[in-house]
Amino acid sequence: ETGVTQTPRHLVMGMTNKKSLKCEQHLGHNAMYWYKQSAKKPLELMFVYNFKEQTENNSVPSRFSPECPNSSHLFLHLHTLQPEDSALYLCASSQAPGRGASSYNEQFFGPGTRLTVL
Amino acid sequence: AQSVTQLDSQVPVFEEAPVELRCNYSSSVSVYLFWYVQYPNQGLQLLLKYLSGSTLVKGINGFEAEFNKSQTSFHLRKPSVHISDTAEYFCAVSDRANFNKFYFGSGTKLNVKP
Repeated sequence: ETGVTQTPRHLVMGMTNKKSLKCEQHLGHNAMYWYKQSAKKPLELMFVYNFKEQTENNSVPSRFSPECPNSSHLFLHLHTLQPEDSALYLCASSQAPGRGASSYNEQFFGPGTRLTVL
Repeated sequence: AQSVTQLDSQVPVFEEAPVELRCNYSSSVSVYLFWYVQYPNQGLQLLLKYLSGSTLVKGINGFEAEFNKSQTSFHLRKPSVHISDTAEYFCAVSDRANFNKFYFGSGTKLNVKP
């Protein structure tokens, strides 16, 4: 397994269901991210974890609950979602930022989970 | 907060023709700039990045981009496109004070026709 993997690739759920999205990175990185990609809208950063600690929550509703048990795994727990939450959810990883341009590290993306909320 | 504008939501072009995908960003502070490509049913892949130094940046698959600070632009170009370049392209910005917070444009779909 290489790079960043996400499971499931597709998920259909009702508004009362509880489900989880999983992301795993095999790159030795220590920062992980969740993004939401909706049609015709810019990619939205949801959460950032550096060294397993959440450092960014971009005003995401509480029906989305992230979990980062270790630097290789990231989960997004979903409950009582709304139809407008239907989107492609992308996970990414990178090295945690250092100082100076030479220490910058790009983000590597997984293939995404296509979520449909009925 | 930053904002990134990709002026064209779709760009149709014939194979072997040149293409330019436009990107403008809002901030006047020092930034890092990126172009990512997304093929159908896949995640985003980095094409190229500008961190510092030469304003002309070369990336993978024959793409290049030029950073223009005065115009706050980072347009992507390729002199001769192939059918395989059909994909969606995203411009992204992060400011140097918060490296891992990226701001993305809404994307440009490049459709290369035979």
